[in-house]
Amino acid sequence: DVKVTQSSRYLVKRTGEKVFLECVQDMDHENMFWYRQDPGLGLRLIYFSYDVKMKEKGDIPEGYSVSREKKERFSLILESASTNQTSMYLCASTPGGQTYEQYFGPGTRLTVT
Amino acid sequence: QKEVEQDPGPLSVPEGAIVSLNCTYSNSAFQYFMWYRQYSRKGPELLMYTYSSGNKEDGRFTAQVDKSSKYISLFIRDSQPSDSATYLCAMSLPTGANSKLTFGKGITLSVRP
Repeated sequence: DVKVTQSSRYLVKRTGEKVFLECVQDMDHENMFWYRQDPGLGLRLIYFSYDVKMKEKGDIPEGYSVSREKKERFSLILESASTNQTSMYLCASTPGGQTYEQYFGPGTRLTVT
Repeated sequence: QKEVEQDPGPLSVPEGAIVSLNCTYSNSAFQYFMWYRQYSRKGPELLMYTYSSGNKEDGRFTAQVDKSSKYISLFIRDSQPSDSATYLCAMSLPTGANSKLTFGKGITLSVRP
């Protein structure tokens, strides 16, 4: 079974803090994605990576950065957390050459106060 | 016009009902059409996918794609309380390894015993 794990299920941070969200997949997938999910707005793509050290902006990259130093790990960084970044963050992965099935982690509920 | 529109819901039906979930889209280049199911406090999981037009059946679930109308549907027969979840439609282009998914906003379905 493909497993995508995220470092925390729940996280509470203060405004201005630097926040790291970690995602690890164990199936040697090339592609990894970070989304945020908000009521009424659905899933929105923040960043994705199709190879180690490669990254591409998604639909809402502002206020976020990412790091992919190893194939299995994809980190999302909030440089200076703000209250409008309170959200559910979901990581996903998929093998190269396949577009339809993304394997999601359980999500991290981040609250910024 | 948004690329993918999905009925917002929520939807509540009695057990045994036939459920119809729908999405419309504007990009005629989409080739893969997916339905993801997301249980509460979990990440989405792929339920079904269809390549190009046509129907696909899997047990109580049927996915339909009408590319001429840019309309996709998911039918659930004999709905069960265990079908209670959020359903997201998703679509992708027929490109290579780093093709993104475009999601609808999701509809929450509740099946009453």
